[in-house]
Amino acid sequence: KAGVTQTPRYLIKTRGQQVTLSCSPISGHRSVSWYQQTPGQGLQFLFEYFSETQRNKGNFPGRFSGRQFSNSRSEMNVSTLELGDSALYLCASSLGQGMSGYTFGSGTRLTVV
Amino acid sequence: KQEVTQIPAALSVPEGENLVLNCSFTDSAIYNLQWFRQDPGKGLTSLLLIQSSQREQTSGRLNASLDKSSGRSTLYIAASQPGDSATYLCAPPANQAGTALIFGKGTTLSVSS
Repeated sequence: KAGVTQTPRYLIKTRGQQVTLSCSPISGHRSVSWYQQTPGQGLQFLFEYFSETQRNKGNFPGRFSGRQFSNSRSEMNVSTLELGDSALYLCASSLGQGMSGYTFGSGTRLTVV
Repeated sequence: KQEVTQIPAALSVPEGENLVLNCSFTDSAIYNLQWFRQDPGKGLTSLLLIQSSQREQTSGRLNASLDKSSGRSTLYIAASQPGDSATYLCAPPANQAGTALIFGKGTTLSVSS
């Protein structure tokens, strides 16, 4: 069974630009959540989508947004990129019920120059 | 607010040793707790998911326990191997809905041959 697929694997962007990352969850999983990982802050929760609705949101500025499509695929967008947005962005999928576990993708490495 | 602490932050052992990684969390109203492994620059690999109704969960040489009342979980690795070298992360949910995970800083394990 296919795992969680994130594209692209690597990105280099310039300050001020915007970027869109994509995540395809495991078939049958309706929940997709996004995390940012940096050496300083570790893994931090960005937001979670379930059946095309944002159910939970972390403490990030409004420049970070996301959406989920009817096929459960999700995209994350970061506008007006800052150097501090350089990070590994990880997507996780789950069945969406409170007791189910999460499966993570390999991540997208974003570098802002 | 859920907070997670992992001790030790780093561990270096010779091959063959049995070892214990500790995780403590502040909000014990959780349905489950998940342990992950992360290799450098990679995504997260799920190791074990313990439901709150379980006290232990085992997979091969790995055994994880969960004590909600004390806010602690332990990952036991038997007969460590160089291939076990990685960062180990524990992640309880941020809330009872289980829509987000909160991560500790992890324990970085190095097993020498």
